[in-house]
Order: sequence, then structure tokens, then C-alpha cells
Amino acid sequence: AQSVTQLGSHVSVSEGALVLLRCNYSSSVPPYLFWYVQYPNQGLQLLLKYTSAATLVKGINGFEAEFKKSETSFHLTKPSAHMSDAAEYFCAVSDQGGGYQKVTFGTGTKLQVIP
Amino acid sequence: DTAVSQTPKYLVTQMGNDKSIKCEQNLGHDTMYWYKQDSKKFLKIMFSYNNKELIINETVPNRFSPKSPDKAHLNLHINSLELGDSAVYFCASSLGGGELFFGEGSRLTVL
Repeated sequence: AQSVTQLGSHVSVSEGALVLLRCNYSSSVPPYLFWYVQYPNQGLQLLLKYTSAATLVKGINGFEAEFKKSETSFHLTKPSAHMSDAAEYFCAVSDQGGGYQKVTFGTGTKLQVIP
Repeated sequence: DTAVSQTPKYLVTQMGNDKSIKCEQNLGHDTMYWYKQDSKKFLKIMFSYNNKELIINETVPNRFSPKSPDKAHLNLHINSLELGDSAVYFCASSLGGGELFFGEGSRLTVL
């Protein structure tokens, strides 16, 4: 069974500071990994995904994540936080099998940006 | 035009009642899902359909019954509602590869 663990349910950063949200995965097969963002009272939207091509993945809104197999990690970073980045962030995993995939989400990290 | 739309957005009902949530996607995707998000924001997959066929059925009480009349629609009917059913229910669709497109959610409150 696949799973992801997000370290830290709440992260606070100052505007302009580095954002680092941590995610570790567990998978018996090569995984696909994702970061999703959820703004208040909205559905989730995809920020970026890793599908075994480049290990450094760039996403929308200046976010990026690096796949590190040796550390089973897929941490999300952004060099400079904006107020608009305040939201809930979810790491997710699915297997690379063909056809339909079951996507399993982490417990989420709420990002607060302090002006 | 909304890609994945759910109705209603809010439901408030009494314990024991039956309610339905409807979902439609206009993305041409073959796979659709229902997820439940609890008050702590934890997301749990409930069901998945691929081209009208049920392919994922997690451990969900049989009071929950999904129905997919065609590949663009996935509905969720809940019988005999309980307090613990209060949550936000999200519909999502996918072309494959694990990338999901979510609706805005349907917030169910059971009193």
C-alpha cells in the first residue's frame, strides 16, 4: 500500500521568506507524486507532479519539488512566499500502473503567510 | 464553463434523512471519483468509476451508493444520514496518470 506523510500540520512563514513543506512517501512500486493546493472553500488543484522524468519538478505559482529516492522525500519549496500562497497543501501518491490509479493523500499542511 | 461541477454546494439535513449529490464533468475524462474530506481536512477516497464501471470501492458503509449513468456523470446517494456523515464531499475526474480535477465540493451538515 502506498502512503505519504506530511511533516507539520501548520507552517508559518513571513512574506518573502522561503517556503518548505515536507512530504515523505512509502511505495512498493515506483510512485507518481503530486502536490495539490486547496484555497478556502474550494476544491483541490494540482500544483505539480513527478512521473519519473526529471527529479526536480517545477509547478505553477513559482513552486517546485525535488524527488529524492534515497530519502523517499518529495518536499515542496518556493523561494519567496506571497500572501496569496496562504492555503492548505496536500502531498499525494499513486502508482505508475496503467489504467486507473488510486490517489492517496497526506493529511495536509496549512501554510500561513505573515505580512 | 466549470470543468467539474457539483450540486448542491450546501446541504443541511436531519439525521435519518436521505440525500443525493450530483457531479458532472465536461473534460471528456473516463474516470471519476468521490472523496470525503472531514473537519480536519483529511481526504479519503470513497469510490471510483471508469467509464460507468465501479473500479474502487473503499470501506464505506453501504448507506452510500454511487451511480454513474454515463461517463460524464457520477452521483452519490446517502441513506439514513448520521452525524458522522457531516463532511465536504468532493467529486473529481481524471484522464489517467493520477492527475485529478476536483469540483468545488458539497458541504453536508447532518443535525
